[in-house]
Amino acid sequence: GAVVSQHPSRVICKSGTSVKIECRSLDFQATTMFWYRQFPKQSLMLMATSNEGSKATYEQGVEKDKFLINHASLTLSTLTVTSAHPEDSSFYICSALFGGGTEAFFGQGTRLTVV
Amino acid sequence: QQQVKQSPQSLIVQKGGISIINCAYENTAFDYFPWYQQFPGKGPALLIAIRPDVSEKKEGRFTISFNKSAKQFSLHIMDSQPGDSATYFCAAFGSSTLTFGKGTMLLVSP
Repeated sequence: GAVVSQHPSRVICKSGTSVKIECRSLDFQATTMFWYRQFPKQSLMLMATSNEGSKATYEQGVEKDKFLINHASLTLSTLTVTSAHPEDSSFYICSALFGGGTEAFFGQGTRLTVV
Repeated sequence: QQQVKQSPQSLIVQKGGISIINCAYENTAFDYFPWYQQFPGKGPALLIAIRPDVSEKKEGRFTISFNKSAKQFSLHIMDSQPGDSATYFCAAFGSSTLTFGKGTMLLVSP
C-alpha cells in the first residue's frame, strides 16, 4: 500500500512551547490529509481536514489557533501544537487520501508528552 | 451522533478460532468500508475494504461480509493467531470523510 511518513514518532516538550509534527505522503500526492487525536484505548478523533493550498477545516471543539495546520504541498501537511499544555499530551495521527480519494493510509503516529 | 457503531468492545478468542467483529452504519451515503488494524503505539494499517456493490470480500484469513439492506458489515478472522491481537476499527467513507467505529480490542490466546 501507499506510504505515509509521520515525524517525529515521539516528542517531549515543556509546557508553553510549540511542537510541529510532519506528515508526508512518500509515493503519492495527497490533496487531502486528515489529523486525528487518539486517547488511550479509544478510537481516533478527527481534528481537522487539511486540503492542499487552502485553509484546513476544523472539527467542532478543536481550537484552530492552538492546532495550526499547514498543507503547503501535495506531499506534506504539518500540525503545530502551539503553547502546549499537559492536557495536549496525546497520540496524534495523520492520514492521507489515495487512489481517487477513498483509500486512507495512516502515518505511524506521534506520541506527544507535555511536561 | 455516532454514525458507525462497532461491537464488541473487546474480544478474546482462542488460537485457531474465528474472530468476528460487527459494525453498523446509518448514513446511506457511505460508499466505502475499510477495516483497520492498530497495534499499540502505531498508526492504523488498512487491512481490507469493501464497496457496497459486493456482499463479501476475502483476503487470506480475513473476510468482510456486507449487508447493504441492513446497513451492517462484519470482519471475520479465520484461524486466529496470537499475532492478530490488536485493536480493529471499522470505518465508513463518504463525502470525503472517514468515520470510525470505536474499536474492538482483540486478544487471541495461545
